[in-house]
Amino acid sequence: GENVEQHPSTLSVQEGDSAVIKCTYSDSASNYFPWYKQELGKGPQLIIDIRSNVGEKKDQRIAVTLNKTAKHFSLHITETQPEDSAVYFCASPGGGADGLTFGKGTHLIIQP
Amino acid sequence: DSGVTQTPKHLITATGQRVTLRCSPRSGDLSVYWYQQSLDQGLQFLIQYYNGEERAKGNILERFSAQQFPDLHSELNLSSLELGDSALYFCASSVGDSGRAGQFFGPGTRLTVL
Repeated sequence: GENVEQHPSTLSVQEGDSAVIKCTYSDSASNYFPWYKQELGKGPQLIIDIRSNVGEKKDQRIAVTLNKTAKHFSLHITETQPEDSAVYFCASPGGGADGLTFGKGTHLIIQP
Repeated sequence: DSGVTQTPKHLITATGQRVTLRCSPRSGDLSVYWYQQSLDQGLQFLIQYYNGEERAKGNILERFSAQQFPDLHSELNLSSLELGDSALYFCASSVGDSGRAGQFFGPGTRLTVL
């Protein structure tokens, strides 16, 4: 089955700076890569996703890049704000069924 | 608010007992997924239903079962509960039979087994 590795486990950045979270996946047949944000006491919230036919996707301050050759994808958050503090998860369904395999999560801390 | 609802929010029970968790998907979504989140295992996929039929199984224990009803709500049944079953249980839904168009998560049910 699919295996997803996520780094770093904790990331602390100054407000206004950029944050980058990286993930690698194992199943070369995987073609869909979502990112989720989870705040304390809430369910994961889908913030952006990318399919394997594109290399980059942007939505305001958030972008995701995909390198299918190297089997890794990254989340980029620019101009970070206090409300960006949360745990972020990358995921991939692999090439088979659609249940998502998640990374272990990155705790993003925005320092004022 | 994702539009996915889950009840109850919290559940406290004893070892050996059986519980039922309920999920209502977003309006129009036909697929329901169940996930378990724990500190040691992280977020794990348990099972998917599409329009009443089981579509895919993940790391679901034999003591656990699920079903999706004609009105598309789903229930996850956990039996012979053990201390290690204490976790957050999330339901997610998506439009079609593919979760690759976006899976939207509910607020979860926190299960505590004493």
